[in-house]
Amino acid sequence: DTGVSQDPRHKITKRGQNVTFRCDPISEHNRLYWYRQTLGQGPEFLTYFQNEAQLEKSRLLSDRFSAERPKGSFSTLEIQRTEQGDSAMYLCASSLDGGHEQYFGPGTRLTVT
Amino acid sequence: KNEVEQSPQNLTAQEGEFITINCSYSVGISALHWLQQHPGGGIVSLFMLSSGKKKHGRLIATINIQEKHSSLHITASHPRDSAVYICAVSTHGGSQGNLIFGKGTKLSVKP
Repeated sequence: DTGVSQDPRHKITKRGQNVTFRCDPISEHNRLYWYRQTLGQGPEFLTYFQNEAQLEKSRLLSDRFSAERPKGSFSTLEIQRTEQGDSAMYLCASSLDGGHEQYFGPGTRLTVT
Repeated sequence: KNEVEQSPQNLTAQEGEFITINCSYSVGISALHWLQQHPGGGIVSLFMLSSGKKKHGRLIATINIQEKHSSLHITASHPRDSAVYICAVSTHGGSQGNLIFGKGTKLSVKP
């Protein structure tokens, strides 16, 4: 297993468009997390899954954001009607379970023009 | 006030110097993490600790639960150590996993 992967690595989109990102966690990991990082800041928690169940969502996750992990494996994060303020690095991480070390993917850098 | 504070924000050192990065937090935690982030965004977990001290190669992490403080030390620093070092905490409670991050310390080691 090569670790956590994310696709695409970079995405440039026009304001108002929808975008979808994919995260493939380490295969035996039950937990999957999404974080967002803006320039010069530390990452901020968005949401996490335990297997296919979405157990917690940050208030940062407005109704334009939706995340799924339909089979408890890969996850998708969709942003509808993108805004310039959505420009950020979107990071995915996975862990064996709660309280275990998290392994991060390379991130998807989103630029909204 | 942020729940996780790091100092300094930026640090420049000469190769070979001993480096210390500090982290203070104001919430109850189940664990503290030190992470390394290179240009381009990839984050690598260096340490996860809930008490005492851990060592890996030239890196040492310590935590004082009573004082809510942790330090990351780098001995014999090298230019390849140049990166952003991020402190993060896992909080108590039902989620037991989502991390609260500091803003990071940008380290530059000059040859």
